[in-house]
Amino acid sequence: GAVVSQHPSWVICKSGTSVKIECRSLDFQATTMFWYRQFPKQSLMLMATSNEGSKATYEQGVEKDKFLINHASLTLSTLTVTSAHPEDSSFYICSARPQSGLAVREQFFGPGTRLTVL
Amino acid sequence: TQLLEQSPQFLSIQEGENLTVYCNSSSVFSSLQWYRQEPGEGPVLLVTVVTGGEVKKLKRLTFQFGDARKDSSLHITAAQPGDTGLYLCAGGNQGGKLIFGQGTELSVKP
Repeated sequence: GAVVSQHPSWVICKSGTSVKIECRSLDFQATTMFWYRQFPKQSLMLMATSNEGSKATYEQGVEKDKFLINHASLTLSTLTVTSAHPEDSSFYICSARPQSGLAVREQFFGPGTRLTVL
Repeated sequence: TQLLEQSPQFLSIQEGENLTVYCNSSSVFSSLQWYRQEPGEGPVLLVTVVTGGEVKKLKRLTFQFGDARKDSSLHITAAQPGDTGLYLCAGGNQGGKLIFGQGTELSVKP
């Protein structure tokens, strides 16, 4: 149980294009999903908190117009990197928190998406 | 701002040795999670501790939550090459967010 998937697992795009990354909770409902960014050999940095049916909450320093988040259902959140540039190249990881149950305080992570912007 | 200081950041040991990783903060956390991450993959949850003083064991791994819920440790006994990876501690705050430590890159050589 508590499986989270991400699609695509990796993507290469040209500078200036937009890229959409999907995060799905496969066997549980998640009112809240989180998006993180991770650079090589570093820890996870929280970018934003995605709440189903409402606007995402962005961490300080994260541009909401560049990183568009949509949480359309209890099992799906999407992150769109708009007008991507090489400095946006990174490993993007989502996590989902169960809506209810004993694991409600835990986050379960997706496998990550490697974005490379040329 | 809540911070978690994780140490050491890098650890290279021989198979069979013991090691301890520490996470310390001046803030109180409602819970503390430990994750292990392989290159190119997402973090995998190892354990969650919620009660001050709590100790949990997972085979050769022992996790402890400090009495004041501000610090935690991970102890690995008789490390094996398969233990190699990035270990992350993360504290849960009242807002439901996770505050991550810097991570410990562990390398266990045969």
